[in-house]
Amino acid sequence: GQNIDQPTEMTATEGAIVQINCTYQTSGFNGLFWYQQHAGEAPTFLSYNVLDGLEEKGRFSSFLSRSKGYSYLLLKELQMKDSASYLCAVEAGSYQLTFGKGTKLSVIP
Amino acid sequence: DAGITQSPRHKVTETGTPVTLRCHQTENHRYMYWYRQDPGHGLRLIHYSYGVKDTDKGEVSDGYSVSRSKTEDFLLTLESATSSQTSVYFCAINSVDNSPLHFGNGTRLTVT
Repeated sequence: GQNIDQPTEMTATEGAIVQINCTYQTSGFNGLFWYQQHAGEAPTFLSYNVLDGLEEKGRFSSFLSRSKGYSYLLLKELQMKDSASYLCAVEAGSYQLTFGKGTKLSVIP
Repeated sequence: DAGITQSPRHKVTETGTPVTLRCHQTENHRYMYWYRQDPGHGLRLIHYSYGVKDTDKGEVSDGYSVSRSKTEDFLLTLESATSSQTSVYFCAINSVDNSPLHFGNGTRLTVT
């Protein structure tokens, strides 16, 4: 079976740094995705990690440790527009992604 | 995303009626997926397609059927809608198996 855990909600201050964690227990592992979803909108792709380590993409970075079943998404220089849900998704086999329940991030002034 | 369109965007229907949701893509991508999103559950895969007339079940396929007669269209049918199928339905596409999904804007379905 697949089990993906991430915090339900987080609050952070504009301009700060926030880390959203994701732990997973899956039968098989091909890679891990992070998506952003604003309220009432579709998810959009942020990052994909296959190998251990940090992938940096502008203000957003994503880290993976395959041995620990752990990933995090790091958001720097937070902006109000970063208020959204962040979805962790594990690809454990062909065609199928298993999504976590998402972390709702609120950025406050 | 202009390359993937879902219709209708909103629908209210009664218990027991059939409902068909349509996903149309202009990207010529091989893979298409139907997900539902519910509070407390996240996105769950209903059915997917890996080519014309090639479909398979996902995690929550009971009560749903799909068809893909053309590359660009993937239809999701609720044969007899139930209140438990009230949800937001997302179609997604990708070009190869492990590439990022691109999602449509979703269909909000309410079954009364």
